[in-house]
Amino acid sequence: AQTVTQSQPEMSVQEAETVTLSCTYDTSESDYYLFWYKQPPSRQMILVIRQEAYKQQNATENRFSVNFQKAAKSFSLKISDSQLGDAAMYFCAYSPSGFGNEKLTFGTGTRLTIIP
Amino acid sequence: DAGVIQSPRHEVTEMGQEVTLRCKPISGHDYLFWYRQTMMRGLELLIYFNNNVPIDDSGMPEDRFSAKMPNASFSTLKIQPSEPRDSAVYFCASSFLGGGSYNEQFFGPGTRLTVL
Repeated sequence: AQTVTQSQPEMSVQEAETVTLSCTYDTSESDYYLFWYKQPPSRQMILVIRQEAYKQQNATENRFSVNFQKAAKSFSLKISDSQLGDAAMYFCAYSPSGFGNEKLTFGTGTRLTIIP
Repeated sequence: DAGVIQSPRHEVTEMGQEVTLRCKPISGHDYLFWYRQTMMRGLELLIYFNNNVPIDDSGMPEDRFSAKMPNASFSTLKIQPSEPRDSAVYFCASSFLGGGSYNEQFFGPGTRLTVL
């Protein structure tokens, strides 16, 4: 069974600085998707960024980027120029690709605090 | 397009009462997921549907929980009778696994259930 591990229950960063959240996963699949979801205090789950495993290029969305290391099964999220609105729980998630593989496996989350 | 809609947003009930949570997925999505989120257990998948048919209900905690999807635009999660340990935030999510999709799930705002 696939597992997703987030080893940092809590992180904090000064406003305008850069922070990296870690995620590792275990799978025997060769093709899959990885996601980072953000859950602010409003509790709405919001997709931040996604990565297809067959793509070597790391995904980027504005201030958010990932460091995808397929061989190491590592998928970290880097937030640049941290803003107060980035304060939230961040969940890493995994899904195999293809039909019959609809479920997401989530990590336990990392609570990110932004220090003004 | 409206996102996933859930109602009610908050529900407070007494132990032993029946509770019904409702979800309207995004139009055109063919998968619908019900999750429960608690501090102790994190985000758990309860059940999911494909084209209104339940595919995997192995996460449903016990017989007190039931879910239905009578049509493509509506699903319910029912707890009868409710117990204090059912207090949690319940999320509904939907996705579309057609060609070119990324298994991305779109979440509703959640229903915070409190059972006294």
